[in-house]
Parts: sequence; structure tokens; C-alpha cells
Amino acid sequence: DAKTTQPPSMDCAEGRAANLPCNHSTISGNEYVYWYRQIHSQGPQYIIHGLKNNETNEMASLIITEDRKSSTLILPHATLRDTAVYYCIVIPRFGNEKLTFGTGTRLTIIP
Amino acid sequence: GAVVSQHPSWVICKSGTSVKIECRSLDFQATTMFWYRQFPKQSLMLMATSNEGSKATYEQGVEKDKFLINHASLTLSTLTVTSAHPEDSSFYICSAATGGIYEQYFGPGTRLTVT
Repeated sequence: DAKTTQPPSMDCAEGRAANLPCNHSTISGNEYVYWYRQIHSQGPQYIIHGLKNNETNEMASLIITEDRKSSTLILPHATLRDTAVYYCIVIPRFGNEKLTFGTGTRLTIIP
Repeated sequence: GAVVSQHPSWVICKSGTSVKIECRSLDFQATTMFWYRQFPKQSLMLMATSNEGSKATYEQGVEKDKFLINHASLTLSTLTVTSAHPEDSSFYICSAATGGIYEQYFGPGTRLTVT
């Protein structure tokens, strides 16, 4: 599986867009980019995933660069409830669906 | 939809005893369930993968005789920590995946404290 690199922590003002970067320079053509988040003392929550096109759902948008070596998760209007650790994970399109969590980015939303 | 529950949410047990944690997919059938462990201020570490009706596959370094996993149905998997020791104290999280869909749905976690 491709390794990902994320900043250890970020702050964002409440109501602003939170942009969380992820580098996955060794990603291969059949690997998806997944984003999960974990609020303190809870199980992780699926946010969004993509292969090469940008994706949007009710929670967030995912922007993947054309070379697929990096991506950005965008929370358009961050709220205090978005404070969590965000994990960017790359997994094969076909396979055993095994997730390897890195250290993630601890996002703190500032009132 | 896609709700996964765990029971209990927290448990305290004495050293040497066994503890069983249940993981249920409430509104879907899970062909595969995963068990993770998370120590304070650390990331989730996959312990094992279980497919309904077959033996679990354990990650390297995880003792299969200590962490017994049973996946008897498409909606239930159990993790039994046998002869628990204080170093087994951790946050145990399960997840469930459906065939053809790659999103894993996670349970809320079980905090185990061994005294």
C-alpha cells in the first residue's frame, strides 16, 4: 500500500473552510484515496473517497491532483464538532480492504 | 444506514480473567469484520480480519490464542481477550465491510481496563 504523509496538526477558525493536505507520492493507478476521521474516544468515521476525479458529498470535498500524488480534504464550513483526527489512507481498488492508519492530522476548530 | 454497534462500551476486569466484546452490524450484512486496537495518543492498529464462517487472519505480533475472534454470522463478530493483563488495557474498535463496497463502518469502540 502507498504511504501517506499528513501534517500532525492544524487549526481552523469556526465557520471557515478547513483544508487538510495529504501526500501520497507513491500511489499506484489502482489505489483509492480514502479519508476517515476520529473524534476523541469514538470509532473512526468514513468521510469520502476518490480515485482520480474530485469528489463531493454532504460532509466534504476531496480534491486530487492530476498526477494523484497528493490530495486535499475540504470541510467547507468547519464547526466545533469537526475537531478530530483526520486520516488519509490509500488502499487498492481491488483487494482485501485492509486499512492502515497513519498518525493523521489533529484538526482543532477554534471558536 | 450502515450502523455498527459494540458491546460493552467500556469494561473493567481483573487481571487473569477473560473479556468478550461483541461487534454487530445492525442494518447490513458484513462479509468481513476487522478488529483494531488503539493505545492512548496512538493510531489504530489492525489486529485481525475475520470473514464469516472462517478463521480470522491475525496481524503479525498479535497472539491468536490470546485474542480469540469468532465471526459466526454476517452480523456478529466477537473478540475475547483471554487471561487479560494490564498491558491489554486499550480501546478496541471493530469495523464491518460489505461486499463490493470499500468503505468500512466502524463501531464506537470498547474501552477495556484491566486492573
